[in-house]
Amino acid sequence: AQSVTQPDIHITVSEGASLELRCNYSYGATPYLFWYVQSPGQGLQLLLKYFSGDTLVQGIKGFEAEFKRSQSSFNLRKPSVHWSDAAEYFCALRRDYKLSFGAGTTVTVRA
Amino acid sequence: DVKVTQSSRYLVKRTGEKVFLECVQDMDHENMFWYRQDPGLGLRLIYFSYDVKMKEKGDIPEGYSVSREKKERFSLILESASTNQTSMYLCASREADTEAFFGQGTRLTVV
Repeated sequence: AQSVTQPDIHITVSEGASLELRCNYSYGATPYLFWYVQSPGQGLQLLLKYFSGDTLVQGIKGFEAEFKRSQSSFNLRKPSVHWSDAAEYFCALRRDYKLSFGAGTTVTVRA
Repeated sequence: DVKVTQSSRYLVKRTGEKVFLECVQDMDHENMFWYRQDPGLGLRLIYFSYDVKMKEKGDIPEGYSVSREKKERFSLILESASTNQTSMYLCASREADTEAFFGQGTRLTVV
Protein backbone atom coordinates (compact mmCIF):
# COMPACT_ATOMS: atom_id res chain seq x y z
CA ALA A 1 0.00 0.00 0.00
CA GLN A 2 1.22 3.45 -0.91
CA SER A 3 2.26 5.19 2.28
CA VAL A 4 3.32 8.50 0.72
CA THR A 5 1.38 10.20 -2.05
CA GLN A 6 2.43 13.24 -4.00
CA PRO A 7 -0.62 14.10 -6.08
CA ASP A 8 1.13 16.49 -8.47
CA ILE A 9 3.55 14.94 -10.96
CA HIS A 10 4.60 18.25 -12.48
CA ILE A 11 4.16 21.88 -11.48
CA THR A 12 5.15 24.95 -13.47
CA VAL A 13 5.56 28.20 -11.59
CA SER A 14 6.78 31.67 -12.54
CA GLU A 15 9.91 33.01 -10.96
CA GLY A 16 8.97 35.07 -7.92
CA ALA A 17 5.63 33.34 -7.46
CA SER A 18 4.78 31.15 -4.50
CA LEU A 19 5.05 27.38 -4.59
CA GLU A 20 3.21 24.67 -2.71
CA LEU A 21 3.88 20.96 -3.13
CA ARG A 22 1.45 18.50 -1.66
CA CYS A 23 2.26 15.37 0.29
CA ASN A 24 -0.15 12.97 1.98
CA TYR A 25 0.90 10.04 4.08
CA SER A 26 -0.64 6.94 5.56
CA TYR A 27 0.71 5.83 8.92
CA GLY A 28 -0.91 4.98 12.24
CA ALA A 29 1.76 6.23 14.60
CA THR A 30 3.51 9.59 14.87
CA PRO A 31 5.27 10.00 11.56
CA TYR A 32 8.79 11.12 10.85
CA LEU A 33 8.49 13.13 7.65
CA PHE A 34 11.01 14.60 5.26
CA TRP A 35 11.27 16.63 2.11
CA TYR A 36 14.21 16.07 -0.21
CA VAL A 37 15.21 17.87 -3.39
CA GLN A 38 17.06 16.38 -6.33
CA SER A 39 18.67 18.56 -8.96
CA PRO A 40 19.33 16.96 -12.37
CA GLY A 41 22.04 14.32 -12.19
CA GLN A 42 22.48 14.72 -8.45
CA GLY A 43 21.69 12.78 -5.32
CA LEU A 44 19.03 13.82 -2.84
CA GLN A 45 19.50 16.75 -0.50
CA LEU A 46 17.44 17.16 2.65
CA LEU A 47 15.32 20.32 2.71
CA LEU A 48 13.63 19.82 6.07
CA LYS A 49 12.30 17.24 8.48
CA TYR A 50 9.53 16.82 11.02
CA PHE A 51 9.95 14.56 14.01
CA SER A 52 7.71 16.16 16.63
CA GLY A 53 6.89 19.50 18.21
CA ASP A 54 6.12 22.61 16.21
CA THR A 55 4.05 21.67 13.19
CA LEU A 56 5.55 24.41 11.02
CA VAL A 57 9.06 23.41 10.08
CA GLN A 58 11.66 25.68 8.53
CA GLY A 59 14.21 24.30 6.14
CA ILE A 60 17.04 25.35 3.90
CA LYS A 61 16.75 27.52 0.78
CA GLY A 62 13.72 29.37 2.17
CA PHE A 63 11.42 26.35 2.26
CA GLU A 64 8.96 25.50 5.00
CA ALA A 65 6.48 22.69 5.55
CA GLU A 66 3.43 22.28 7.72
CA PHE A 67 2.44 19.03 9.36
CA LYS A 68 -1.31 18.55 9.66
CA ARG A 69 -2.22 15.35 11.45
CA SER A 70 -5.97 15.77 10.82
CA GLN A 71 -5.34 15.85 7.07
CA SER A 72 -2.40 13.41 7.05
CA SER A 73 -0.49 16.01 5.09
CA PHE A 74 2.96 17.55 5.07
CA ASN A 75 2.92 20.20 2.35
CA LEU A 76 6.02 22.08 1.28
CA ARG A 77 5.93 25.80 0.57
CA LYS A 78 8.14 28.60 -0.61
CA PRO A 79 6.92 32.21 -0.78
CA SER A 80 9.01 33.28 -3.78
CA VAL A 81 10.54 30.80 -6.18
CA HIS A 82 13.96 31.28 -7.79
CA TRP A 83 15.03 29.75 -11.09
CA SER A 84 17.46 27.53 -9.15
CA ASP A 85 14.49 25.84 -7.44
CA ALA A 86 13.74 23.91 -10.62
CA ALA A 87 14.24 20.31 -9.52
CA GLU A 88 12.42 17.20 -8.43
CA TYR A 89 11.02 17.13 -4.91
CA PHE A 90 10.36 14.04 -2.86
CA CYS A 91 8.33 13.64 0.29
CA ALA A 92 9.35 10.73 2.53
CA LEU A 93 8.01 8.92 5.58
CA ARG A 94 10.11 6.89 7.97
CA ARG A 95 8.53 3.68 9.23
CA ASP A 96 10.74 1.63 11.52
CA TYR A 97 14.01 1.31 9.63
CA LYS A 98 12.51 2.08 6.26
CA LEU A 99 12.19 5.38 4.46
CA SER A 100 9.30 5.35 1.99
CA PHE A 101 9.19 7.94 -0.77
CA GLY A 102 6.48 9.48 -2.83
CA ALA A 103 6.73 9.39 -6.62
CA GLY A 104 8.09 12.93 -6.71
CA THR A 105 6.98 16.29 -8.09
CA THR A 106 8.97 17.97 -10.84
CA VAL A 107 9.05 21.74 -10.58
CA THR A 108 9.67 23.87 -13.64
CA VAL A 109 10.36 27.57 -13.15
CA ARG A 110 9.56 29.93 -16.00
CA ALA A 111 11.08 33.36 -16.34
CA ASP B 1 29.86 16.81 6.59
CA VAL B 2 28.56 13.32 6.06
CA LYS B 3 29.80 11.79 2.89
CA VAL B 4 28.25 8.86 1.10
CA THR B 5 30.30 7.79 -1.88
CA GLN B 6 29.16 5.51 -4.65
CA SER B 7 32.00 3.99 -6.62
CA SER B 8 30.66 4.74 -10.10
CA ARG B 9 28.46 7.48 -11.56
CA TYR B 10 27.78 5.57 -14.77
CA LEU B 11 27.97 1.88 -15.61
CA VAL B 12 27.14 -0.08 -18.73
CA LYS B 13 26.88 -3.85 -18.35
CA ARG B 14 25.75 -6.72 -20.51
CA THR B 15 22.77 -8.93 -19.83
CA GLY B 16 23.75 -11.85 -17.62
CA GLU B 17 26.78 -10.17 -16.08
CA LYS B 18 27.29 -10.07 -12.34
CA VAL B 19 27.33 -6.44 -11.26
CA PHE B 20 28.64 -4.92 -8.05
CA LEU B 21 27.63 -1.44 -6.90
CA GLU B 22 29.69 -0.16 -4.01
CA CYS B 23 28.79 2.41 -1.39
CA VAL B 24 30.95 3.81 1.40
CA GLN B 25 29.95 6.20 4.20
CA ASP B 26 32.33 8.02 6.50
CA MET B 27 30.13 8.80 9.51
CA ASP B 28 29.98 5.45 11.28
CA HIS B 29 26.25 5.15 10.60
CA GLU B 30 24.49 1.99 11.65
CA ASN B 31 21.91 1.94 8.87
CA MET B 32 22.55 1.78 5.15
CA PHE B 33 20.14 1.49 2.25
CA TRP B 34 19.96 0.79 -1.46
CA TYR B 35 17.20 2.35 -3.55
CA ARG B 36 16.44 2.37 -7.22
CA GLN B 37 14.88 5.41 -8.81
CA ASP B 38 12.70 5.24 -11.89
CA PRO B 39 10.64 8.02 -13.52
CA GLY B 40 7.15 8.23 -12.08
CA LEU B 41 7.90 5.68 -9.38
CA GLY B 42 10.08 7.69 -7.03
CA LEU B 43 12.60 5.80 -4.94
CA ARG B 44 11.94 2.19 -4.09
CA LEU B 45 13.81 0.37 -1.37
CA ILE B 46 15.74 -2.70 -2.50
CA TYR B 47 17.59 -3.72 0.67
CA PHE B 48 18.73 -2.18 3.90
CA SER B 49 21.18 -3.08 6.61
CA TYR B 50 21.01 -2.05 10.25
CA ASP B 51 24.33 -3.55 11.30
CA VAL B 52 27.35 -5.36 9.94
CA LYS B 53 26.35 -8.64 8.33
CA MET B 54 22.67 -7.83 8.96
CA LYS B 55 20.31 -7.19 6.08
CA GLU B 56 16.62 -6.92 5.44
CA LYS B 57 14.68 -7.07 2.22
CA GLY B 58 13.01 -3.90 1.10
CA ASP B 59 10.09 -3.57 -1.24
CA ILE B 60 11.72 -4.85 -4.44
CA PRO B 61 14.56 -7.28 -3.55
CA GLU B 62 14.05 -9.72 -6.42
CA GLY B 63 17.13 -10.05 -8.60
CA TYR B 64 19.37 -8.35 -6.04
CA SER B 65 21.50 -9.28 -3.08
CA VAL B 66 23.65 -7.24 -0.71
CA SER B 67 26.76 -7.55 1.38
CA ARG B 68 27.84 -5.65 4.47
CA GLU B 69 31.12 -7.01 5.76
CA LYS B 70 32.27 -3.71 7.24
CA LYS B 71 30.23 -0.99 8.86
CA GLU B 72 31.19 1.67 6.35
CA ARG B 73 30.58 -0.34 3.18
CA PHE B 74 27.37 -1.66 1.69
CA SER B 75 27.41 -3.42 -1.65
CA LEU B 76 24.53 -4.13 -3.99
CA ILE B 77 24.90 -7.17 -6.22
CA LEU B 78 23.01 -7.99 -9.36
CA GLU B 79 23.61 -11.71 -9.73
CA SER B 80 22.64 -11.79 -13.40
CA ALA B 81 21.88 -8.37 -14.79
CA SER B 82 18.78 -7.93 -16.90
CA THR B 83 17.58 -5.02 -19.00
CA ASN B 84 14.77 -4.28 -16.54
CA GLN B 85 17.41 -3.46 -13.98
CA THR B 86 18.49 -0.43 -15.99
CA SER B 87 17.93 2.36 -13.52
CA MET B 88 19.45 4.95 -11.20
CA TYR B 89 20.68 3.37 -7.98
CA LEU B 90 21.02 5.44 -4.84
CA CYS B 91 22.78 4.51 -1.64
CA ALA B 92 21.95 6.17 1.68
CA SER B 93 23.05 5.98 5.28
CA ARG B 94 21.75 7.32 8.57
CA GLU B 95 22.10 7.05 12.29
CA ALA B 96 19.12 5.90 14.34
CA ASP B 97 17.16 9.13 14.72
CA THR B 98 18.51 11.31 11.97
CA GLU B 99 17.75 11.92 8.36
CA ALA B 100 19.22 9.80 5.59
CA PHE B 101 22.20 11.05 3.60
CA PHE B 102 22.43 10.06 -0.03
CA GLY B 103 25.20 9.37 -2.46
CA GLN B 104 25.30 10.89 -5.93
CA GLY B 105 23.79 7.84 -7.54
CA THR B 106 24.93 5.27 -10.09
CA ARG B 107 23.18 5.21 -13.41
CA LEU B 108 23.29 1.62 -14.59
CA THR B 109 22.47 0.63 -18.13
CA VAL B 110 22.12 -3.06 -18.95
CA VAL B 111 22.34 -3.84 -22.66
